[in-house]
Amino acid sequence: GIQVEQSPPDLILQEGANSTLRCNFSDSVNNLQWFHQNPWGQLINLFYIPSGTKQNGRLSATTVATERYSLLYISSSQTTDSGVYFCAALKAAGNKLTFGGGTRVLVKP
Amino acid sequence: SQTIHQWPATLVQPVGSPLSLECTVEGTSNPNLYWYRQAAGRGLQLLFYSVGIGQISSEVPQNLSASRPQDRQFILSSKKLLLSDSGFYLCAWSRGSFTYEQYFGPGTRLTVT
Repeated sequence: GIQVEQSPPDLILQEGANSTLRCNFSDSVNNLQWFHQNPWGQLINLFYIPSGTKQNGRLSATTVATERYSLLYISSSQTTDSGVYFCAALKAAGNKLTFGGGTRVLVKP
Repeated sequence: SQTIHQWPATLVQPVGSPLSLECTVEGTSNPNLYWYRQAAGRGLQLLFYSVGIGQISSEVPQNLSASRPQDRQFILSSKKLLLSDSGFYLCAWSRGSFTYEQYFGPGTRLTVT
């Protein structure tokens, strides 16, 4: 199956700082999603981005499918950005969304 | 708009007891449905998926089973719980193709004692 690796595993930010989270995947993909898991466990959809670039407020994401990686940018971080960020990928012609190990983000006031 | 519900939100069950977790989706028809488990501090593992009523595929051999008695209802069951079944169980749905975006429910936190 496809391998999905995220880095860094942990990230501590001062409020207002910018950061980049990385997701590497081992095969061609038909689905690439970024999620934010809040302290209550809810998985919140951030981006559906098998290729290209998208922006939503202070967050943006870029997937370079030919080089098999995706990046999530957080700008002007806020304490509410704290939580775990997951990347998940679906191999082309596959049926299983595979999750990476996540990046745990802590934004300090 | 579509919404996904799961219950109960939390559950504490003794070893050897049965389990039934329910997931329902509103606002769509013929969705793909999924059950995932998340162990503490780790990523999600796909347990089962369903592309239609009565159609269940298992990804991981285990003590659990799934059923889909209605189009928008997905149930996770066990006849006898093990300590290792503890975890956070999430249900998800997508439109009728694996390539489409998946949306997750609020989850059920299960503790087996």
